Amino acid sequence: SQTIHQWPATLVQPVGSPLSLECTVEGTSNPNLYWYRQAAGRGLQLLFYSVGIGQISSEVPQNLSASRPQDRQFILSSKKLLLSDSGFYLCACNWCGGSDETQYFGPGTRLLVL
Amino acid sequence: AQSVTQPDIHITVSEGASLELRCNYSYGATPYLFWYVQSPGQGLQLLLKYFSGDTLVQGIKGFEAEFKRSQSSFNLRKPSVHWSDAAEYFCAVGESGGSNYKLTFGKGTLLTVNP
Repeated sequence: SQTIHQWPATLVQPVGSPLSLECTVEGTSNPNLYWYRQAAGRGLQLLFYSVGIGQISSEVPQNLSASRPQDRQFILSSKKLLLSDSGFYLCACNWCGGSDETQYFGPGTRLLVL
Repeated sequence: AQSVTQPDIHITVSEGASLELRCNYSYGATPYLFWYVQSPGQGLQLLLKYFSGDTLVQGIKGFEAEFKRSQSSFNLRKPSVHWSDAAEYFCAVGESGGSNYKLTFGKGTLLTVNP
């Protein structure tokens, strides 16, 4: 079965500081990986997705970037955080625990930028 | 482009009452359809999914959903709601085929359960 780890669980950072959120996935090799953001009271916004090592697709222009240095590792970064970067960040994967198009989610990281 | 509409932002029901959460989608081909549930501060948990076949699908926690192609709907139902069902529910549609696979989510329906 699929297991998705996200680290850290909670983070409080000052405006202008850097950011690194990590997602690791157990299970089959070469999954699709995704980063979503949930702002308070809003739905899920897809930020980035990756179909393989080093392959990143950005869905919206923003202050964030993503990288996939290993097959089952997906990192979300920022050089300088903005107040608007606050939110709940979710990592998800496809083809990470089965052979169908079901997407599975990690536990999330709560980010508060002050 | 595909889209998902959940018309009800917030629904309140009494414990033991029946529940129906609405979901309408826009997609040209046969979609992959999902319902997820999210408790506060948690990730999303898959309730059920529809890919093909029987249009009435059963999920976890006593939930079911029915795919109606003519209405472009995939409504979620439960005959008797429990207090632990209070959460936010998201409907999603996936575009079939290809490695650049993505889901489109509705904005969610927040369910409150009164004792």
